[in-house]
Amino acid sequence: AQSVTQPDIHITVSEGASLELRCNYSYGATPYLFWYVQSPGQGLQLLLKYFSGDTLVQGIKGFEAEFKRSQSSFNLRKPSVHWSDAAEYFCAVGANNNDMRFGAGTRLTVKP
Amino acid sequence: GAGVSQTPSNKVTEKGKYVELRCDPISGHTALYWYRQSLGQGPEFLIYFQGTGAADDSGLPNDRFFAVRPEGSVSTLKIQRTERGDSAVYLCASSLASGGTDTQYFGPGTRLTVL
Repeated sequence: AQSVTQPDIHITVSEGASLELRCNYSYGATPYLFWYVQSPGQGLQLLLKYFSGDTLVQGIKGFEAEFKRSQSSFNLRKPSVHWSDAAEYFCAVGANNNDMRFGAGTRLTVKP
Repeated sequence: GAGVSQTPSNKVTEKGKYVELRCDPISGHTALYWYRQSLGQGPEFLIYFQGTGAADDSGLPNDRFFAVRPEGSVSTLKIQRTERGDSAVYLCASSLASGGTDTQYFGPGTRLTVL
């Protein structure tokens, strides 16, 4: 069965600093991988997704993620964090779009 | 265009009562999903519909939970004999179709509190 681990419950970075949020997955075949962001009072919003092809995926809001099969990872990165990026971030894995399993999330705090 | 909407935004009920949570998907989306998100956790899949039929209800925790989508658009999640452990945010999402690569768009959720 597929599963997702987000090792960091909470991360604090300074505004303008780079960011990397970790995601490790367990899946028996080539997975579909997703990153969602959830701001207070808002619905989950898709940042990016990987299905196949280029392992470096570009998303919205300046985010990118890299699929590394050998490490079973799909880490999310951003070169320069903005205060508005403070939110909860969720990684998900699935066989397709109706079979997603979410991690427990990483809460990002941005210091001025 | 309008996104996924959910009503009510908050629902407080007493243990043992019956509740209904409503989801209005994006117009034209044939697939609709329900998730439950407990405090400090990621969303947990409950059920999804393709059209009017429940294609996968394997995530429903027990027979107190039931969902319908009679006309292939609006869906209602029904919880009978609510328990305190049912307290969570219930999320709805929709996508153009299921089983492929279409993005799921989420609503803001209904926060259910069972006293």
